[in-house]
Amino acid sequence: DSGVTQTPKHLITATGQRVTLRCSPRSGDLSVYWYQQSLDQGLQFLIQYYNGEERAKGNILERFSAQQFPDLHSELNLSSLELGDSALYFCASSSTGTGSEAFFGQGTRLTVV
Amino acid sequence: AQSVSQHNHHVILSEAASLELGCNYSYGGTVNLFWYVQYPGQHLQLLLKYFSGDPLVKGIKGFEAEFIKSKFSFNLRKPSVQWSDTAEYFCAVNALPGGTYKYIFGTGTRLKVLA
Repeated sequence: DSGVTQTPKHLITATGQRVTLRCSPRSGDLSVYWYQQSLDQGLQFLIQYYNGEERAKGNILERFSAQQFPDLHSELNLSSLELGDSALYFCASSSTGTGSEAFFGQGTRLTVV
Repeated sequence: AQSVSQHNHHVILSEAASLELGCNYSYGGTVNLFWYVQYPGQHLQLLLKYFSGDPLVKGIKGFEAEFIKSKFSFNLRKPSVQWSDTAEYFCAVNALPGGTYKYIFGTGTRLKVLA
């Protein structure tokens, strides 16, 4: 167990809908990262938050947004969902935003039908 | 842009064979390097990491990796693989482009070990 908790584990929704994925980092970790893993594109970095503030942005679509709350948990919001958004979404946390190793959650498997 | 290349997408080995997975990165500054493993149906777990010092690092389960700065490489090795090593392996770089650390992952190598 990495100490990073993601909910829900599985999500099935229809195209055009909006979903929210939740991540609770390891106790004491200030940095949260979101990744999308799909068969054809591998592990893609989406966005990073550090202590409530956006720190880095990767290949995140405009339809996606995220935030980190004062208690350090994070949510990834995906809207106007398309079939191609079906993927495994991982959250990771690290103690700082400056190079320490990241610990991954079990992921949320999103299926858009 | 910073990137990480893993040259082998699929590798099939018999038990007891030796393993070497290639990883190259493109970034000229200071980097921290990682290898993660993802067993079927599980999350990514850290195998080993390099921050500084001895370029040959040893990780869990008999894995090791060598950082060669001149080649921008961080190859993963194991002298004798086991069936339980069947998994996907990701190389990752944590670098400081533009003043902000972020992790960049390679596309992964799927290893299948035949019993």
